[in-house]
Amino acid sequence: DVKVTQSSRYLVKRTGEKVFLECVQDMDHENMFWYRQDPGLGLRLIYFSYDVKMKEKGDIPEGYSVSREKKERFSLILESASTNQTSMYLCASSTPGQGRRYEQYFGPGTRLTVT
Amino acid sequence: SQQGEEDPQALSIQEGENATMNCSYKTSINNLQWYRQNSGRGLVHLILIRSNEREKHSGRLRVTLDTSKKSSSLLITASRAADTASYFCAGSRGSNYKLTFGKGTLLTVNP
Repeated sequence: DVKVTQSSRYLVKRTGEKVFLECVQDMDHENMFWYRQDPGLGLRLIYFSYDVKMKEKGDIPEGYSVSREKKERFSLILESASTNQTSMYLCASSTPGQGRRYEQYFGPGTRLTVT
Repeated sequence: SQQGEEDPQALSIQEGENATMNCSYKTSINNLQWYRQNSGRGLVHLILIRSNEREKHSGRLRVTLDTSKKSSSLLITASRAADTASYFCAGSRGSNYKLTFGKGTLLTVNP
């Protein structure tokens, strides 16, 4: 069964801290994604990666960076956390699949609070 | 940029009724996908419809796509309390692997 796991369900950090959010998938998927979800704004793409060590900015990359050293792991880094980064963070992965469908498989989410 | 825009934002129905949610999008898509999210959880893929298709069925789900109007609808028939969730449409454009999600419709099915 397809599985995407995220390192924490809930996380509380202080302003200015460096924060690491980890995502691991066991499906050998090429593509991995980080989204943030806020009430009234839906899901917004922060960064994605289509291969090991490859990354592309999404729609809202400011204040974030990512790392993909291994195919199964995609990390989101908040270099200096700020209160406006309080949000639900969702990781997803995908592969072309039959007919190049690229369905995305999501982790359970990490609810990050920055105080 | 917002690819999908769901309508209504919230929908409340009784068990057994049908639920219809709509999605409009701005730019051409390769396919349109619908996802479901239970409260506080990750999203789960429900159904995909390609740009050259007009209708797809999967169990109690029926999706339509009208590329001339840049709109799609998701119909859930004979709804159950367990269908209570948020539903999102997402369009793929350019390279298929990148999706742009709408803001979602919150469906509440009352027992």
